[in-house]
Amino acid sequence: QKEVEQNSGPLSVPEGAIASLNCTYSDRGSQSFFWYRQYSGKSPELIMSIYSNGDKEDGRFTAQLNKASQYVSLLIRDSQPSDSATYLCAVNSGGSNYKLTFGKGTLLTVNP
Amino acid sequence: DVKVTQSSRYLVKRTGEKVFLECVQDMDHENMFWYRQDPGLGLRLIYFSYDVKMKEKGDIPEGYSVSREKKERFSLILESASTNQTSMYLCASSPPARESAFFGQGTRLTVV
Repeated sequence: QKEVEQNSGPLSVPEGAIASLNCTYSDRGSQSFFWYRQYSGKSPELIMSIYSNGDKEDGRFTAQLNKASQYVSLLIRDSQPSDSATYLCAVNSGGSNYKLTFGKGTLLTVNP
Repeated sequence: DVKVTQSSRYLVKRTGEKVFLECVQDMDHENMFWYRQDPGLGLRLIYFSYDVKMKEKGDIPEGYSVSREKKERFSLILESASTNQTSMYLCASSPPARESAFFGQGTRLTVV
């Protein structure tokens, strides 16, 4: 069973701080990695994707991937109360058919 | 923008009823998915389809079936609804290869 692990949280940070969210995965053949944000009662929305080792920045968000350690992270700089949500890590293990495996998510709370 | 539309936002059904959940996407995506999301269990894949009339079981297919007669439409069928199928159901679609999935707004199903 391919697994994606996240700390469930809650992770609480003050407004303006950096929030760091972490994810590990079990399948070394994984090829694509995604971070989704999910507000309470809403469906997940994609915020970052990363495919190769290193950092990828998009505005206040930075995704980091280390395939050797099977680790992917999301940094949120200058955290805002509107960032309060559950963050889901998702991994595509490749193969002939596409299939995403999700972690259970980390609840982030940004305090004003 | 990708649009994935689920037929109902909220649904209440009786035990033993046959239930149809419909999902339509407008981006000509090959892949479509049905997930259920429960507190503490995260997103779990029920079924996915990578082409018209093609389907594969996900992690929890028991008690469910699917139909994909047209590329844009993917239906989830609960053959005989039970109370343990009360959940949030999420449909998603994606293009092939490494790309991410886009979610519909979700259907909160309650079986009484």
